[in-house]
Amino acid sequence: DAGVTQSPTHLIKTRGQHVTLRCSPISGHKSVSWYQQVLGQGPQFIFQYYEKEERGRGNFPDRFSARQFPNYSSELNVNALLLGDSALYLCASSLGQVGRVDQPQHFGDGTRLSIL
Amino acid sequence: KQEVTQIPAALSVPEGENLVLNCSFTDSAIYNLQWFRQDPGKGLTSLLLIQSSQREQTSGRLNASLDKSSGRSTLYIAASQPGDSATYLCAVTPGNSGYALNFGKGTSLLVTP
Repeated sequence: DAGVTQSPTHLIKTRGQHVTLRCSPISGHKSVSWYQQVLGQGPQFIFQYYEKEERGRGNFPDRFSARQFPNYSSELNVNALLLGDSALYLCASSLGQVGRVDQPQHFGDGTRLSIL
Repeated sequence: KQEVTQIPAALSVPEGENLVLNCSFTDSAIYNLQWFRQDPGKGLTSLLLIQSSQREQTSGRLNASLDKSSGRSTLYIAASQPGDSATYLCAVTPGNSGYALNFGKGTSLLVTP
């Protein structure tokens, strides 16, 4: 079975531009989460979507937005890019059932975003 | 705010040694704790998940323990191999959210032949 897939793998943008990152979850998973990982740090939570609804949002500015589609794939959009947005963006999927504590999150290989 | 700390930040051991990685968290109200492995430039691979009601989980040469009351978890790796070289991250799912993982900064492990 295919794991979590993310595209593109690498991306170079300049300050002020916008970017769209894409994620396809594991088949059967209804929850998708996005994380930002800067070099030398652990991933930081950005968003989680479940059944196309936003379930939670981390401490990120409104320049960051996301959505989930009927097939449970997801996009992360970032507007007005800053140098500090350079990071590895990770997508994770899970079954996402509320109250279940035994469902691990499975991560893709990420999109490496570099801002010049 | 839940804080997750991993000690040591880096570790180098010769092949064949048994080793322990440590993770501590400040708020014991968690749903579960997960250990991940990350190879350079890659995503995260889930190793073990321990539910808040459990004390330990085992997978092959890996054993993870959880002491929720003291806010600690350990990952024990038996008979280390060069292929175990990677960064190991622990993450907790806070009880007040149930969905967002809070990560430590990781322990960078190098196993030398």
